[in-house]
Amino acid sequence: QVQLQESGPGLVKPSQTLSLTCTVSGGSISSGGYYWSWIRQHPGKGLEWIGYIHYSGSTYKNVSLKSRVTISVDTSKNQFSLRLSSVTAADTAVYYCARAPEGIIDHPFDPWGQGTLVTVSS
Amino acid sequence: QSVLTQPPSVSGAPGQRVTISCTGSSSNIGAGYDVHWYQHLPGTAPKLLIYGNSNRPSGVPDRFSGSKSGTSASLAITGLQADDEADYYCQSYDSSLSDYVFGTGTKVTVL
Repeated sequence: QVQLQESGPGLVKPSQTLSLTCTVSGGSISSGGYYWSWIRQHPGKGLEWIGYIHYSGSTYKNVSLKSRVTISVDTSKNQFSLRLSSVTAADTAVYYCARAPEGIIDHPFDPWGQGTLVTVSS
Repeated sequence: QSVLTQPPSVSGAPGQRVTISCTGSSSNIGAGYDVHWYQHLPGTAPKLLIYGNSNRPSGVPDRFSGSKSGTSASLAITGLQADDEADYYCQSYDSSLSDYVFGTGTKVTVL
């Protein structure tokens, strides 16, 4: 079964760029049929979808974060990545990667990684 | 942003039935978009519990069921067990926001 695992620095300074990678195992990103997503959860708050990428490289992002978000895919490593620029304390959150089936807009996210906490602080 | 509203908490004794509501609007649930439910234990990966309003993925016990009507959806847990203690979130798509939206989350406590 497909499993996802997030990795990256747990501490980022304000105004810098947050960079995370999601490694996919048990299946190939390049086999198609799915969107590869990033979702975050602020401490004590609900979940917020950030965006996703298709293995072809096409992306779709949350409108409110779009100007600061870059999502990329490396099919040779079976990984996809998130970069969030100009971070502030408001970007402190647990960041999850997840998979979603393509073809329907109101799709679920399954499976998810276990998440990684990123704290923005000097 | 959480545009789907859930009760902050629900509780029940072992064996009882609890329900969690998820209230949206005409641009998400009311527009006909599917609702999905997740079970989340902090520190672990959220788990898909119900997809497409009322369908259970393989391996999810039939004690969990989902329904949808109008601008709302519900998750029911029957035969409540201790390991059902978790946070539960609903999720849908919102055409006004062009965004995937999640509920505010509900903590289930087994008394």
